[in-house]
Amino acid sequence: DQQVKQNSPSLSVQEGRISILNCDYTNSMFDYFLWYKKYPAEGPTFLISISSIKDKNEDGRFTVFLNKSAKHLSLHIVPSQPGDSAVYFCAASGYGGSQGNLIFGKGTKLSVKP
Amino acid sequence: DAGVTQSPTHLIKTRGQHVTLRCSPISGHKSVSWYQQVLGQGPQFIFQYYEKEERGRGNFPDRFSARQFPNYSSELNVNALLLGDSALYLCASSLDPTPYEQYFGPGTRLTVT
Repeated sequence: DQQVKQNSPSLSVQEGRISILNCDYTNSMFDYFLWYKKYPAEGPTFLISISSIKDKNEDGRFTVFLNKSAKHLSLHIVPSQPGDSAVYFCAASGYGGSQGNLIFGKGTKLSVKP
Repeated sequence: DAGVTQSPTHLIKTRGQHVTLRCSPISGHKSVSWYQQVLGQGPQFIFQYYEKEERGRGNFPDRFSARQFPNYSSELNVNALLLGDSALYLCASSLDPTPYEQYFGPGTRLTVT
């Protein structure tokens, strides 16, 4: 039973446009959410995070929105660049008593076309 | 500064064998976590160690074990390998046990034949 779900395996966007990646979670005990980016043959790279007490966090071209009532978060990339093409993982923590335990979604492969 | 390093990069083993994977955290980081990423899935938590003590364990069989050394490097051991253990094994380090901003290494690709 997946606690963190990324229902879109892939997304294709034109360069300069907005990319919106979505993530849903089932466990209301999650209190911190993170987005990671992964290129082939590399480990995931931390991108941006948000605490459950906030509904928005912004860092440059990247913004994460959290809707606790819907148990939904999204990552917005504006403007999208070809270098953003990668697999994006949504992750959550706060459940299970193990503080370092990140629970990941399956990932969404983003392709930004020039 | 060097990031998280893992060795070996790739490994091919036969069913029933044993494997040891190694991880060196970022200098100053005292917490190391291990994740397994099967093709098409997200990373799945295996263990976390902090100050040489186990702080968390995921839903993996006892064939999986780990330890952390005084220099904060870590080993992941898997006994009696199964075909299903074929995966990318990721190590992540952080300053403390909290999950915030864990830094991942490039991973070890294990293939079990």
